[in-house]
Amino acid sequence: DTGVSQDPRHKITKRGQNVTFRCDPISEHNRLYWYRQTLGQGPEFLTYFQNEAQLEKSRLLSDRFSAERPKGSFSTLEIQRTEQGDSAMYLCASSPTGDTRSPLHFGNGTRLTVT
Amino acid sequence: AQSVTQLDSHVSVSEGTPVLLRCNYSSSYSPSLFWYVQHPNKGLQLLLKYTSAATLVKGINGFEAEFKKSETSFHLTKPSAHMSDAAEYFCVVSEPGGYNKLIFGAGTRLAVHP
Repeated sequence: DTGVSQDPRHKITKRGQNVTFRCDPISEHNRLYWYRQTLGQGPEFLTYFQNEAQLEKSRLLSDRFSAERPKGSFSTLEIQRTEQGDSAMYLCASSPTGDTRSPLHFGNGTRLTVT
Repeated sequence: AQSVTQLDSHVSVSEGTPVLLRCNYSSSYSPSLFWYVQHPNKGLQLLLKYTSAATLVKGINGFEAEFKKSETSFHLTKPSAHMSDAAEYFCVVSEPGGYNKLIFGAGTRLAVHP
């Protein structure tokens, strides 16, 4: 169990550019989640995958955001035409089942700064 | 809809004194509740969880929380604070539906002074 891995740790980009983040969940965890955390706030749910299927998307996930998990293993989160309001920590988490007794395991996050 | 309210955005204690971080929840169902901790530049770590078993839940690093349905509270406590406890703490409720969608509170920053 090597934990949830996220890459990159930090990303600085100019407004209008596209960025892509990667998340590698704990192996054999079939559930994967993306959250966003802005300064001084708790994480907010963005989207959820079970295997390769994206089963829920938050209203926070505008059309500029897209997430994939093509083979049910790693996942990518892409933001197109970044805006300053996209600056945040993007957190990935995984869990082996949907049972609430099975906790989510979080990665260290990708901190995005849009200038 | 489920929600949690953390009553204090900042708590400051002296090393060796008790810690109390307050959380109230709102839920139409019998909730699953969690406390997570986030140290600077680190990922979120689960401290403890309540899932309708014992109302007093013991977690890691000497923390515990008591589920009080009558007060809709799930306060986090520790008898004696350590410098390493300084971090951000989040009270969390799990939304029903079977896939662990977590709803986080705004967080409480705990400072521990020598």
